[in-house]
This record gives sequence, structure tokens and C-alpha cells, in this order.
Amino acid sequence: GAGVSQSPSNKVTEKGKDVELRCDPISGHTALYWYRQSLGQGLEFLIYFQGNSAPDKSGLPSDRFSAERTGGSVSTLTIQRTQQEDSAVYLCASSLAGRSLIFGPGTRLTVT
Amino acid sequence: SQQGEEDPQALSIQEGENATMNCSYKTSINNLQWYRQNSGRGLVHLILIRSNEREKHSGRLRVTLDTSKKSSSLLITASRAADTASYFCATSRLGGTSYGKLTFGQGTILTVHP
Repeated sequence: GAGVSQSPSNKVTEKGKDVELRCDPISGHTALYWYRQSLGQGLEFLIYFQGNSAPDKSGLPSDRFSAERTGGSVSTLTIQRTQQEDSAVYLCASSLAGRSLIFGPGTRLTVT
Repeated sequence: SQQGEEDPQALSIQEGENATMNCSYKTSINNLQWYRQNSGRGLVHLILIRSNEREKHSGRLRVTLDTSKKSSSLLITASRAADTASYFCATSRLGGTSYGKLTFGQGTILTVHP
């Protein structure tokens, strides 16, 4: 596609449920990033994938958060047992190595 | 946690005026980038300045970097109503594993009145 796409655009879930957020990066981009943006914490790095290397998970806030990238392309961010503080906009970005990030439109997650 | 501080938090100007936003950071960096965000959604990369550069221009944008003060400024000249957005600085840490692993500032909300 022409840009980074994310789905769903909005997700409302009940506290305690699991959610999966999807990111389709730009074809050929080797690097993929997840960030989260919330009112209280601003924009925060979550996790980074580069090619076949082990992901950098240093930004994941708890073990309820995990992400995978299949076949070096699509990525899924999973949040288990969601909490209200997980409510945020989750942004995905991709890039070629050493180039600037191209962000997707984000998924707005609301935990009720 | 956010290491970057931006000021002002909000800026309101008239079309045609210049807008200046400032950013401070705490750690040594590889580069500093500025992003724009409309309506709380996707971020758009505006400009990157490397740690060994002091000033960079792109169209109506001018960025300066002072590594001794750990600060940067973004100047938008001859502003337009379409420049209304939130602007964020983001730093890539020196010695970091990735160009795109960024620490963002809190952002400046710019409103340009027609």
C-alpha cells in the first residue's frame, strides 16, 4: 500500500478482555515500531522490530503487552487482561534502515 | 517517561506571522527530529537535524540545535492556517540501537488564525 495502515481505527473493550491491534507496514520497510500516545504519558516507545533480529521490547509497560511480526511484514500488538490505563492511541510506524519513520493513523483503544 | 520538554505548550498566532517552538532534552543524542500531528492521530516527519549540525532548513521550516544546552528550536515562517497542528520534537539517543527508537517531547499546540 501507499502508507502504513492500522486496524481497527477504534476499539472499545471491557476491562479484563484481550485485544489485538494490527499494523500493515509499507512494503519493503525492514523496521517496524509501536508507540502509544496517552494524555498522561505523552508519546512512548513500546517495541521495535528490525529484519530478523530479536525485537527491542524495552518499552513494553508490562508482561500483559506482547507483539509479533510475521514474515517480516504485518505486526500484531496484543494486550492481555486490559486495564483502564491501557486506554490510548496506539501508533505503528515503519521505515527503511536509517530513514525517517512513516506513521500509521493509529488505533484508539478505550477500555471501559 | 518523557525526557523532552517543549515550550510553549500552546501558541496562537495570526496567519503570516512566524511561529517558534522550543524543545529541551536530557541525554546525549544522535539526532533530533520534529514531527507534526493533526487531530491526535498519525505523526508526519518534518525535519531531522544531526548532533553535529547546528541549523537546517526545509521550505518554511528552520531548525536549530544547541547540543551544549541540549535544546532545539523549530521556526515556521509565514505561517498558514493549515499549519495548525501539534508539533513534537523527538530524540534518538546516542549509542541507541535504532534510528527510530525515539523519545518524544510533550508537544506544542500551534493555532494559526486566518
